[in-house]
Amino acid sequence: ETGVTQSPTHLIKTRGQQVTLRCSSQSGHNTVSWYQQALGQGPQFIFQYYREEENGRGNFPPRFSGLQFPNYSSELNVNALELDDSALYLCASSLGADPNYGYTFGSGTRLTVV
Amino acid sequence: KQEVTQIPAALSVPEGENLVLNCSFTDSAIYNLQWFRQDPGKGLTSLLLIQSSQREQTSGRLNASLDKSSGRSTLYIAASQPGDSATYLCAVRDSNYQLIWGAGTKLIIKP
Repeated sequence: ETGVTQSPTHLIKTRGQQVTLRCSSQSGHNTVSWYQQALGQGPQFIFQYYREEENGRGNFPPRFSGLQFPNYSSELNVNALELDDSALYLCASSLGADPNYGYTFGSGTRLTVV
Repeated sequence: KQEVTQIPAALSVPEGENLVLNCSFTDSAIYNLQWFRQDPGKGLTSLLLIQSSQREQTSGRLNASLDKSSGRSTLYIAASQPGDSATYLCAVRDSNYQLIWGAGTKLIIKP
């Protein structure tokens, strides 16, 4: 059984650019959620996908968008990068929409916007 | 709106001590509560998951309790070791199935 894998591990982008982060969910998991974690803070929920449909979104602007593919892997896209987008981006997977299941997290992508 | 608070923000104790980390939440309508560990610059490792119908969960030297009615959870670490040094985060899964997080407690175990 493989865990959640994220790529790339580190990334440096220039303000105004666009970035795509990728996540492979744990085998058998069909729900993926994304979080932004600024330094010294707890993660903030960005959005969640269940069977390729977005089924929850946090307080993030539309320039944060995502996709979930038939194999349940996922992408997070951020357009028009701002300096404040610099953070650790975490992906988590879970089994179904059943809230009784916990989440398994990847190691994250460290994004730096300069 | 669900809010999760963790106290203290930081804790430093000598090796071997037993310690308690606290987590409180404002809305008792939760599905479960999960405790995580995060090492510097790393992702999150799940430690314990407590369903809303449960009172506690144990794993090795870790014991987590949940009092949903009072909006509180504690993580008890027995016989602390330097390798336990990390940031500990709690998160509740709310009625919208979203994880709402505390800011974490940074724990340092001194050899």
